[in-house]
Amino acid sequence: SQTIHQWPATLVQPVGSPLSLECTVEGTSNPNLYWYRQAAGRGLQLLFYSVGIGQISSEVPQNLSASRPQDRQFILSSKKLLLSDSGFYLCAWSAFSAGRTDTQYFGPGTRLTVL
Amino acid sequence: TQLLEQSPQFLSIQEGENLTVYCNSSSVFSSLQWYRQEPGEGPVLLVTVVTGGEVKKLKRLTFQFGDARKDSSLHITAAQPGDTGLYLCAGVEDDMRFGAGTRLTVKP
Repeated sequence: SQTIHQWPATLVQPVGSPLSLECTVEGTSNPNLYWYRQAAGRGLQLLFYSVGIGQISSEVPQNLSASRPQDRQFILSSKKLLLSDSGFYLCAWSAFSAGRTDTQYFGPGTRLTVL
Repeated sequence: TQLLEQSPQFLSIQEGENLTVYCNSSSVFSSLQWYRQEPGEGPVLLVTVVTGGEVKKLKRLTFQFGDARKDSSLHITAAQPGDTGLYLCAGVEDDMRFGAGTRLTVKP
């Protein structure tokens, strides 16, 4: 069966510090991978998605970046965090498709607080 | 870009009551999905509806896809505290877009 992991589960960082969130998927090959941000009490905002190693599409301009160094690893980074980066970050995977139409399976999330 | 509107945004009811939440759009979708998200966790898929007019039941939950495939509803019968969570709908066409969700609280 497929599983998806995220770490850390919670993170408190000062403004201006760097960020690295990691997501890994097990039990599937060549998945589509996604990073979402969810502000408190709000829906999901798609940040990045990837259909393969080194292939990253950005949905929203911001000070965040994403990388996919391995087939089942997706990393969300920032060089300098802003207060507005606080939120709940979710990684998800779906079966490979050129679009983003297949069912997405979510990880447990990372709660990021920027102070 | 599809815009999915979910209503109500918040809903607080007593255990045993029935409720319906809605997901509406001006766009036509090839399918629509409902997810439930509990606090501090990722969303979990509940159901996918594909055919206009389709009705699917999962125990006390009934999902309906509109005839025109632009809207959907989720009806919960005899709500329980375990139903508490954020209910998200996601419309699928060229890609998948999520609504902002309905936050349901069921009080014992």
